[in-house]
Amino acid sequence: GAVVSQHPSWVICKSGTSVKIECRSLDFQATTMFWYRQFPKQSLMLMATSNEGSKATYEQGVEKDKFLINHASLTLSTLTVTSAHPEDSSFYICSASDGADTGELFFGEGSRLTVL
Amino acid sequence: GQNIDQPTEMTATEGAIVQINCTYQTSGFNGLFWYQQHAGEAPTFLSYNVLDGLEEKGRFSSFLSRSKGYSYLLLKELQMKDSASYLCAVKDSNYQLIWGAGTKLIIKP
Repeated sequence: GAVVSQHPSWVICKSGTSVKIECRSLDFQATTMFWYRQFPKQSLMLMATSNEGSKATYEQGVEKDKFLINHASLTLSTLTVTSAHPEDSSFYICSASDGADTGELFFGEGSRLTVL
Repeated sequence: GQNIDQPTEMTATEGAIVQINCTYQTSGFNGLFWYQQHAGEAPTFLSYNVLDGLEEKGRFSSFLSRSKGYSYLLLKELQMKDSASYLCAVKDSNYQLIWGAGTKLIIKP
């Protein structure tokens, strides 16, 4: 199956700093990637849909100036958490579809962000 | 509004069979997915149903009834490694994925 790689897996940062998370499709081209966050014992919450070469589409309630998404190529999307605060601590997961009819999503390994 | 319901938690015994139910109310339907998620890890794909009926894949099977807005995931010959959360997700008329909150499955020896 298709492989999506996410980096870093773990990151700890100080409050007020910015953190960048990368999501790469390793063996297929992804015109669309999805960014989710997940709090403990809760389900996935879609934050935004990242489109190659255009602006991301953010879900209601997600601050686009705080969560910057860049989809510079068909294999790379980045999520930057700007001026991070402790409440931004969460599990961030990216996913992409390889275009198959099923629309199956392939997920990255996830990035656990802890803001001190 | 759109809604997906699944039990919060279930417990089963190693070697047994367990059925995890999912009911949904969405604006349109373009397929239903089941994903497995181990604690601290990303979800992995288990199954996809778009037509009514049963899809079998090894120890796991998934059933769909579109008229009832209902699906279940059946796990046979349970193993300890099956302890995980199982997420039901439905693709609506806009091809947006709507996620259930997940069912935490606990397997006991």
